[in-house]
Amino acid sequence: GAGVSQTPSNKVTEKGKYVELRCDPISGHTALYWYRQSLGQGPEFLIYFQGTGAADDSGLPNDRFFAVRPEGSVSTLKIQRTERGDSAMYLCASSLTRSGQGKSPLHFGNGTRLTVT
Amino acid sequence: SQKIEQNSEALNIQEGKTATLTCNYTNYSPAYLQWYRQDPGRGPVFLLLIRENEKEKRKERLKVTFDTTLKQSLFHITASQPADSATYLCALPYSGGYQKVTFGTGTKLQVIP
Repeated sequence: GAGVSQTPSNKVTEKGKYVELRCDPISGHTALYWYRQSLGQGPEFLIYFQGTGAADDSGLPNDRFFAVRPEGSVSTLKIQRTERGDSAMYLCASSLTRSGQGKSPLHFGNGTRLTVT
Repeated sequence: SQKIEQNSEALNIQEGKTATLTCNYTNYSPAYLQWYRQDPGRGPVFLLLIRENEKEKRKERLKVTFDTTLKQSLFHITASQPADSATYLCALPYSGGYQKVTFGTGTKLQVIP
């Protein structure tokens, strides 16, 4: 079946601009995660959704970052007033995990490579 | 604070040999540990999960061990092939909640033909 889809695959933007990154999770997966990965580093947690609500947004670096998942499926990560330091690979993952059970593996998309010039 | 350590130096081994990668962690008491594979420009792909009450888990040429006393997991690939070349990441649930999975920095494996 279809995996996690992320669009666009690459995004180049100028400093100060606003960007939106989209994630289509695997159908039926209730949990959705956003991670950020810099070169040579592991994925860094940003935010986790269980259904429509953000269950844990403790990884968002500041208030320029915001994510939504209005219907419990597709999610959008929004970055305002982009800075060069925001340049990274943004990864989305989904899983079957229900709250409290854990242990389900994460299924990742191939990410959006964001470059802020 | 919680920390996951993987050897940041690349591991180069000859084809056919066994590759062993290490994941050490501190300030965790994880209920499970996961290993993922990541190829350049791609998202990580899940390989294996091992629970705290399991000492060893196998899947084809892969073997994972989990020592909760040493706070260490070892990931083995036997009869390694050039196609096994990739970065391997270990991941643990954040102590504050199962759903927040934290990743190590990964170890890059290069299998030389």
